[in-house]
Amino acid sequence: NAGVTQTPKFQVLKTGQSMTLQCAQDMNHEYMSWYRQDPGMGLRLIHYSVGAGITDQGEVPNGYNVSRSTTEDFPLRLLSAAPSQTSVYFCASSGLDGRSSYEQYFGPGTRLTVT
Amino acid sequence: SQELEQSPQSLIVQEGKNLTINCTSSKTLYGLYWYKQKYGEGLIFLMMLQKGGEEKSHEKITAKLDEKKQQSSLHITASQPSHAGIYLCGAGPPGGRAQGAQKLVFGQGTRLTINP
Repeated sequence: NAGVTQTPKFQVLKTGQSMTLQCAQDMNHEYMSWYRQDPGMGLRLIHYSVGAGITDQGEVPNGYNVSRSTTEDFPLRLLSAAPSQTSVYFCASSGLDGRSSYEQYFGPGTRLTVT
Repeated sequence: SQELEQSPQSLIVQEGKNLTINCTSSKTLYGLYWYKQKYGEGLIFLMMLQKGGEEKSHEKITAKLDEKKQQSSLHITASQPSHAGIYLCGAGPPGGRAQGAQKLVFGQGTRLTINP
């Protein structure tokens, strides 16, 4: 299994541009999440999904959209990039059954810079 | 909303020494997760605690949740260079273990450096 994969690894955007961060998992996990990590602030939840077709907002959803058309994929869209969205973005997934529901598997992250 | 405070924010220890990282919550902890992050990489799950007084160990790392379920500690015995990284605690919401892990609130992290 590849686990949780994210693309791209690095991205530079200009203010106002839009883009999609890709996230995929091959573990058949129901739950997927997007976090952003900023220096000194830990990780903050942007959006999450409890299954295909179901998404909900986290702590810092403004400026981001998500959709979950399949179990495997959970893309994060930046509608109009702003410098405040410069951050490292992590996608995570977790399963429903047994022990795996306690553990989130994290992707390697996407480092985004908005100029 | 729930807030987690980790202390210390940064820690430098000599190889072989023991160390402790604390995580204090503003509200009752229903599920407390410990993760390790190597610089520039994703997070690796270490342990999850749910019950007051619970203690779990993995290799030389032990995590405890206090009886009142508002504080957790992570203790590393005989530290090694492989222990270096950022340690984060995360809290899950009430309402069931199955729906907690994907919407965690995290502390700001503790950066651990091990000097040889």
